[in-house]
Amino acid sequence: DGGITQSPKYLFRKEGQNVTLSCEQNLNHDAMYWYRQDPGQGLRLIYYSQIVNDFQKGDIAEGYSVSREKKESFPLTVTSAQKNPTAFYLCASRHGNQPQHFGDGTRLSIL
Amino acid sequence: GNSVTQMEGPVTLSEEAFLTINCTYTATGYPSLFWYVQYPGEGLQLLLKATKADDKGSNKGFEATYRKETTSFHLEKGSVQVSDSAVYFCALMNRDDKIIFGKGTRLHILP
Repeated sequence: DGGITQSPKYLFRKEGQNVTLSCEQNLNHDAMYWYRQDPGQGLRLIYYSQIVNDFQKGDIAEGYSVSREKKESFPLTVTSAQKNPTAFYLCASRHGNQPQHFGDGTRLSIL
Repeated sequence: GNSVTQMEGPVTLSEEAFLTINCTYTATGYPSLFWYVQYPGEGLQLLLKATKADDKGSNKGFEATYRKETTSFHLEKGSVQVSDSAVYFCALMNRDDKIIFGKGTRLHILP
């Protein structure tokens, strides 16, 4: 079955560390997205990519970085510059103007 | 700018009760409208959509009608079940293909 796979499901980071969240899709979608979800705040867009080797900042890109070297992969790195990284991170992909498909998310916590 | 406003939760109902979750939007032009559902610990799943005025989206007993005159897309279900307990997100997509999400409404159904 086609879908979006996020890993790991739970991730812990020590202060000062960078961590990378994985997002892989086998839906052959061109566009991919990263969102951050905090309680009571809905989803906020971090970065998005509409085509391989290209990506744009979303509303809250500071302290994050991404790459899009392959169509099926869009990893998100949470850097030490992100001072409040504890959140639920959701990856999504989309074909054309169709609705987004979402992965099951990664919950990041700070030790 | 574009925005989505949905009723604050949590909403608590007894099983078999009638459900309405209000959603209103602000947008230029004619956006597409969506309802997504998020079950605990999971990503978002598309529940239903409508792409033009007076369209009715429906799925799993849920319905929502695109009302341009009131800029609304309220979610309804005639008889809710315990398994409907989740967080529901209203969203819009405009011509620029960016998706704007509401803050989500948590629904609790009591047996």
